[in-house]
Amino acid sequence: ELKVEQNPLFLSMQEGKNYTIYCNYSTTSDRLYWYRQDPGKSLESLFVLLSNGAVKQEGRLMASLDTKARLSTLHITAAVHDLSATYFCAVDPGTASKLTFGTGTRLQVTL
Amino acid sequence: DVKVTQSSRYLVKRTGEKVFLECVQDMDHENMFWYRQDPGLGLRLIYFSYDVKMKEKGDIPEGYSVSREKKERFSLILESASTNQTSMYLCASSYGNEADTQYFGPGTRLTVL
Repeated sequence: ELKVEQNPLFLSMQEGKNYTIYCNYSTTSDRLYWYRQDPGKSLESLFVLLSNGAVKQEGRLMASLDTKARLSTLHITAAVHDLSATYFCAVDPGTASKLTFGTGTRLQVTL
Repeated sequence: DVKVTQSSRYLVKRTGEKVFLECVQDMDHENMFWYRQDPGLGLRLIYFSYDVKMKEKGDIPEGYSVSREKKERFSLILESASTNQTSMYLCASSYGNEADTQYFGPGTRLTVL
């Protein structure tokens, strides 16, 4: 059974600081997705990582994938309040787009 | 822009009632999914569908059924609602391409009393 673990589960950080969210998974996969969820809202796709070494960047967020370590990271650079949300990683084990989600990391950026 | 809509944002039902949750997507996606989201548990897949009239069980199908009579519409049915089915229900869709991301609807918060 595929397990996807994120840490930390909750992260409070000050504006301007850098931090990394980690996503570990238990079986072989080279397809990993990151989503963002604002309070009371649905999930929005952030990044699609499809191969070992893949790196994607959008604004202050950068995601990477190391399939050998079964690890993806979401790095936040110089955080701003607008990044406050819950971030989910999800892994596709190769079974027709069926995703297994991590439990989410709730990020709170304080002034 | 991909649009996935769900029939209700909030729903309150009584134990034992039959509940229908509807999901419609407007991008001709092959795949559609139903998840439930609970605090501390992330999203868990209930059922998914690759095509019209096709359905596959996800990780937690017990107590649920689904129907996909048309490509754009995927319904989740709670045959006899129970209090432990109180949750946020999210519908998603994606293209048939296995590498494609999923697009989510706004969610239905269901409370079963």
